[in-house]
Amino acid sequence: GAVVSQHPSWVICKSGTSVKIECRSLDFQATTMFWYRQFPKQSLMLMATSNEGSKATYEQGVEKDKFLINHASLTLSTLTVTSAHPEDSSFYICSVPNGGGSTEAFFGQGTRLTVV
Amino acid sequence: RKEVEQDPGPFNVPEGATVAFNCTYSNSASQSFFWYRQDCRKEPKLLMSVYSSGNEDGRFTAQLNRASQYISLLIRDSKLSDSATYLCVVNTAIMIYNQGGKLIFGQGTELSVKP
Repeated sequence: GAVVSQHPSWVICKSGTSVKIECRSLDFQATTMFWYRQFPKQSLMLMATSNEGSKATYEQGVEKDKFLINHASLTLSTLTVTSAHPEDSSFYICSVPNGGGSTEAFFGQGTRLTVV
Repeated sequence: RKEVEQDPGPFNVPEGATVAFNCTYSNSASQSFFWYRQDCRKEPKLLMSVYSSGNEDGRFTAQLNRASQYISLLIRDSKLSDSATYLCVVNTAIMIYNQGGKLIFGQGTELSVKP
């Protein structure tokens, strides 16, 4: 079964509105979760590191005021795309490290965001 | 220069063919290496980790050359179900996400296996 649950799997929204994406770790607690974005025919790009109990760490070039991250509990991180624009349309995906020194990371199912 | 570069692809091969994917990385401090598989618009799934000694899992063989900063994946006797995008992934940490390490993805190489 799934280890990481991401919701919704797809969303269409109007330009200017905000969209919240949830990422849940189902099997274990995660103090750290990661958010990626993938444009068509491109690789996954890390946007930010979500830290439980503290502020998220954003990669260079990612606007923290536009992509709000909240790691409310050890099993839930949310990404809110605020004032979405068509150029924000992309595939957003979260991941959770297995922890315990494992080399594996588990990914959510991804969210396809289309801003019209 | 991209941190992780892969063959641009796509690769179109008949069933039963042997396919080789190549990948180079620029950060010599990279410690762990992986091949992930991504089906169309789905999440990446770990195919195999790559070790310095090389490793094999059934029809899949991965090789790592640290001196050349080069990683490869070989698929033998390809199946229709192997059709997907193959992602070369590098981490600067020995243990994934530990000590601030993060996954760096290549752009992926698309494979299409035809009957």
